[in-house]
Amino acid sequence: SAVISQKPSRDICQRGTSLTIQCQVDSQVTMMFWYRQQPGQSLTLIATANQGSEATYESGFVIDKFPISRPNLTFSTLTVSNMSPEDSSIYLCSVDSTDGYTFGSGTRLTVV
Amino acid sequence: GQQLNQSPQSMFIQEGEDVSMNCTSSSIFNTWLWYKQDPGEGPVLLIALYKAGELTSNGRLTAQFGITRKDSFLNISASIPSDVGIYFCAGPKEGSEKLVFGKGTKLTVNP
Repeated sequence: SAVISQKPSRDICQRGTSLTIQCQVDSQVTMMFWYRQQPGQSLTLIATANQGSEATYESGFVIDKFPISRPNLTFSTLTVSNMSPEDSSIYLCSVDSTDGYTFGSGTRLTVV
Repeated sequence: GQQLNQSPQSMFIQEGEDVSMNCTSSSIFNTWLWYKQDPGEGPVLLIALYKAGELTSNGRLTAQFGITRKDSFLNISASIPSDVGIYFCAGPKEGSEKLVFGKGTKLTVNP
């Protein structure tokens, strides 16, 4: 299955700032998915990132808050913009590889 | 929309005991996935089920795809301390590659 390298693994950020999370996959994939996992909760899909087109956002998530880049078939970034304490969560990227959906190890974000 | 109802929410068991958890939905799923998440890590796929009635094992883990395609269960036999974690069921939304997740079952194993 695909191997995903996600960074940073964790960060503590000041409110009002932005953080960009990177995901690198060891193989080419058509779609990459970004999830949010709030403390003690399940995973919620933020958006789907396709190479060469704009990301598709789920209800409740907007591009201005979570801009996504997908410059090629192995890489994507998610930016959490103008952060507030409510954005404190684990953010995960995922791909649908040959053995099923694989996840990165996550970015644990704390906003203070 | 399609939702997955996962139970129980948490389990506290003794080492060596067997564990069973399940997921149900009011909608049909064509794929059922079971993940385990350790603290500070992303979910790791344990078992994938693609066919109604399918029973699949992975070591001490066994999962079944319900015949109605609206439910699935995961069993863990002879639990050990490293089984501790949160187990999630998941499946792609109908006509989509986007996954929807259950709320998870938090498993605690007492030595």
